[in-house]
Amino acid sequence: RKEVEQDPGPFNVPEGATVAFNCTYSNSASQSFFWYRQDCRKEPKLLMSVYSSGNEDGRFTAQLNRASQYISLLIRDSKLSDSATYLCVVGHNDMRFGAGTRLTVKP
Amino acid sequence: ETGVTQSPTHLIKTRGQQVTLRCSSQSGHNTVSWYQQALGQGPQFIFQYYREEENGRGNFPPRFSGLQFPNYSSELNVNALELDDSALYLCARNPGRGSEETQYFGPGTRLLVL
Repeated sequence: RKEVEQDPGPFNVPEGATVAFNCTYSNSASQSFFWYRQDCRKEPKLLMSVYSSGNEDGRFTAQLNRASQYISLLIRDSKLSDSATYLCVVGHNDMRFGAGTRLTVKP
Repeated sequence: ETGVTQSPTHLIKTRGQQVTLRCSSQSGHNTVSWYQQALGQGPQFIFQYYREEENGRGNFPPRFSGLQFPNYSSELNVNALELDDSALYLCARNPGRGSEETQYFGPGTRLLVL
């Protein structure tokens, strides 16, 4: 079993749509969780950290369920500029990445 | 802008050769990590250096080695290159022990092994 597993995607959605990504992790002792965004042929960039109580940053909402070892990312009112690969990340110094989910937002 | 730079940006090598990739940070961080990202995959942790010593390693063979220098720049060395080593290699500056801040990546080096 992979340490971090994500929806394989790809997701193709129209502008304005709401899209949700899911992720599960295997190490129950994990303490740090993040979502990174990676544009084509670029490095991953931090989108947001994920906290136990859930957190929101504008149109983005991240949630963590420690009991189920499950992380989610919700994007509301999708924009064309949201098109990217979204990477679920677990861990702090030796981060473990999921394979990523590709999102394409179309006009 | 993460302040992390890597060189070269692209590199082509043949199987069996050796390669050295470089990473530097504008503001000097004493912890640096290296990751390998194969096409269509997420980055995989190779190893981390803290104060010039290896401080954690992922599931990579010994032919992947590294160095960190007193000025906090770092190198990743790969010996006896294999075709599967073709990937994007990412260097990340770490916040250091005790910090809750996450890692920030450099632009990466694209290595192609023929």
